Amino acid sequence: GQNIDQPTEMTATEGAIVQINCTYQTSGFNGLFWYQQHAGEAPTFLSYNVLDGLEEKGRFSSFLSRSKGYSYLLLKELQMKDSASYLCAVKAAGNKLTFGGGTRVLVKP
Amino acid sequence: DSGVTQTPKHLITATGQRVTLRCSPRSGDLSVYWYQQSLDQGLQFLIQYYNGEERAKGNILERFSAQQFPDLHSELNLSSLELGDSALYFCASSVGQGVDNTEAFFGQGTRLTVV
Repeated sequence: GQNIDQPTEMTATEGAIVQINCTYQTSGFNGLFWYQQHAGEAPTFLSYNVLDGLEEKGRFSSFLSRSKGYSYLLLKELQMKDSASYLCAVKAAGNKLTFGGGTRVLVKP
Repeated sequence: DSGVTQTPKHLITATGQRVTLRCSPRSGDLSVYWYQQSLDQGLQFLIQYYNGEERAKGNILERFSAQQFPDLHSELNLSSLELGDSALYFCASSVGQGVDNTEAFFGQGTRLTVV
């Protein structure tokens, strides 16, 4: 089966950095995605990792360690509009993209 | 705008009824995925179609069924509805079968309320 764990909620201050961790246990591994989802809206793609290491995209970075079944999403220079849920999703064997429960990030002034 | 279109945006229906949710994928995308997101729950994968054929199945109830038509649009049919079926239903599409790094683009969802 698939098991993806991430914290339920995090709070941070505008301008700060927040790191959202994701651990996974899946049957096979074909890549890990991070999505952002504002309440009631569609998830939007943030990043993709399939090899170990750090992928940087502007204020957002994502890291993967396949041997540890671990990833994190780093959000820098937080803005109020970054308040949202961040979903970790693993593409395992069988074409299924399995999502974690999401981490709700609240950015305070 | 992701290019994935879902209709209707909102649907209110009674228990025991049957509804059909519709999804048009992005132009050129062959895969369609259906997800259910209940209040405060993560996205639960239901089913995937690729070029008209079922490709992967998740935790989809027997009361639910889906299909993908020759023009690649997809429909999710929910029958004998129960209160617990109230949720946001998302459709996503991608170019490939899903085994590569192709990201999935999500529609705006259909909010189903069963009363």
